[in-house]
Amino acid sequence: ETGVTQSPTHLIKTRGQQVTLRCSSQSGHNTVSWYQQALGQGPQFIFQYYREEENGRGNFPPRFSGLQFPNYSSELNVNALELDDSALYLCASSVPGQKSTEAFFGQGTRLTVV
Amino acid sequence: GESVGLHLPTLSVQEGDNSIINCAYSNSASDYFIWYKQESGKGPQFIIDIRSNMDKRQGQRVTVLLNKTVKHLSLQIAATQPGDSAVYFCAETGSGSARQLTFGSGTQLTVLP
Repeated sequence: ETGVTQSPTHLIKTRGQQVTLRCSSQSGHNTVSWYQQALGQGPQFIFQYYREEENGRGNFPPRFSGLQFPNYSSELNVNALELDDSALYLCASSVPGQKSTEAFFGQGTRLTVV
Repeated sequence: GESVGLHLPTLSVQEGDNSIINCAYSNSASDYFIWYKQESGKGPQFIIDIRSNMDKRQGQRVTVLLNKTVKHLSLQIAATQPGDSAVYFCAETGSGSARQLTFGSGTQLTVLP
């Protein structure tokens, strides 16, 4: 176990709806990164939060947004859901100053958009 | 654009044999290259990494080789066990402040009894 927990584990939403996914980082880790993993593909970087601020973003539209809270937990929000948003959403926590290979992944949230 | 690709989508090996999983990358500026293992229903799990100024690194039953001339990365697993069956991803660290990981599409390793 990595100490990174995500909720919910599975979710079904209708196209056009909004969704919020949650992540609790490993104790002591103040950096959280979110990744989208489509079926049969590698994870793709969405964005990273450090000290409650966005610290880097991948090639995802603005309807993907996030938050980080003082306790370092994080949320990923997706508005106006599209069918192609169906994927496994992973969060990874890490400590800045260490190489990014020190990131620890949660088990993911499986989102299905119908 | 930047990409990390894998040569083979699937690999089957006999239990006890050695496995070799290959990966090609395109971003010469990457600082670290990493191998992850992902079992069904779980998030990626770190296996081993190698810094860009090295060409070989060994761990427990695993060895990573980096050939910067041809931008090639490989993972060797010695004495493959049934528990090694999983999808293996190579990844590289980005050059931005977030040092985000860029993953390849994965190789499914199946260990046959």
